[in-house]
Amino acid sequence: DGGITQSPKYLFRKEGQNVTLSCEQNLNHDAMYWYRQDPGQGLRLIYYSQIVNDFQKGDIAEGYSVSREKKESFPLTVTSAQKNPTAFYLCASSITPSGRSNEQFFGPGTRLTVL
Amino acid sequence: GEDVEQSLFLSVREGDSSVINCTYTDSSSTYLYWYKQEPGAGLQLLTYIFSNMDMKQDQRLTVLLNKKDKHLSLRIADTQTGDSAIYFCAEIISASKIIFGSGTRLSIRP
Repeated sequence: DGGITQSPKYLFRKEGQNVTLSCEQNLNHDAMYWYRQDPGQGLRLIYYSQIVNDFQKGDIAEGYSVSREKKESFPLTVTSAQKNPTAFYLCASSITPSGRSNEQFFGPGTRLTVL
Repeated sequence: GEDVEQSLFLSVREGDSSVINCTYTDSSSTYLYWYKQEPGAGLQLLTYIFSNMDMKQDQRLTVLLNKKDKHLSLRIADTQTGDSAIYFCAEIISASKIIFGSGTRLSIRP
């Protein structure tokens, strides 16, 4: 089945450690996105990538880094510079941005808790 | 700036209709989406409406768009317990930019 997978579902990290969240898609989508969701708030865009080997900062990129070495994969690293990393992280993908609509398909999310 | 607003909570009785409202600020949007999020899960696209449409119906779902007032609504007919979730309105600004509302938590009472 085609879809987006994120792992792990739950992640615990000690303060001061970097951690990497995985996102993989087999939908052959060009564009991929990372969002952060906090209680009572909408989704905020961290980073996005429209093609392989290219990515752009979103609204809240500070303290995060990404890579896009393969079309299927867009891992997100939460660094120790991120002041308040505890949140629910959602990965999404969409058909090439030049498409007729920009429906984003979402993964199941990773809940990161900093201890 | 760009903003999408929704009320945070809605409670309806099972079998009644639910109406979730959303207002947006950017008039250049091409599409407006409604997403559903169940507890601990990702977002699932429910329906969308193109900005030159007034209404779209899909089974129990009806989307109404008032472009003049920048107001979007989602009506769920015959609301069931399985409709309990958070509903997000989203405005498509460009191919790489979507603005999400804060979500409306729909709860169903017997």
